[in-house]
Amino acid sequence: DQQVKQNSPSLSVQEGRISILNCDYTNSMFDYFLWYKKYPAEGPTFLISISSIKDKNEDGRFTVFLNKSAKHLSLHIVPSQPGDSAVYFCAATNTGANSKLTFGKGITLSVRP
Amino acid sequence: KAGVTQTPRYLIKTRGQQVTLSCSPISGHRSVSWYQQTPGQGLQFLFEYFSETQRNKGNFPGRFSGRQFSNSRSEMNVSTLELGDSALYLCASSLEVAGGPAFFGPGTRLTVL
Repeated sequence: DQQVKQNSPSLSVQEGRISILNCDYTNSMFDYFLWYKKYPAEGPTFLISISSIKDKNEDGRFTVFLNKSAKHLSLHIVPSQPGDSAVYFCAATNTGANSKLTFGKGITLSVRP
Repeated sequence: KAGVTQTPRYLIKTRGQQVTLSCSPISGHRSVSWYQQTPGQGLQFLFEYFSETQRNKGNFPGRFSGRQFSNSRSEMNVSTLELGDSALYLCASSLEVAGGPAFFGPGTRLTVL
């Protein structure tokens, strides 16, 4: 049972345009969501997070939106840069229970120059 | 502040052997979690340690075990290695603050021949 789903395996966008990465979850107990970026042969790098009490969190070019009723979150990258090309993982956790992160399978973003 | 460090970075073993991987968390972080990343399954949670106690465990066989020392450093051990254990093993550390992100190390690439 996959509780965090990233249904699109890949996304390609033009440099300077917006990248929108989507993530869906099924566990209503999740109350904290994170996005990680991963390059080959490296560990995931924390990008941005959002608590379930918010619906938007912004950090520079990265904005995460949370729609609790739809159990859906998205990561917007504006403007996209070639250095953003990587695998992006969505993760979720129930902070009241433990620190276990449940990850989606990731989406490969390619930003074309 | 130094990041999460993992040793060794690369390891080659044969079936039936056992292996020990090491993780040093970010200074001040008391929670250490381990994840297995494989191409087909993505990042799967192995276990989490806090103050030398295993606080949570994923769905892995008993061949996978771990421990945490008083300085928060952690080790994980895999006994009787199988070909399917070939993966990137990632360690993550976090503060004991609900809703805080976990920070990952670079991982140990284990190859079982």
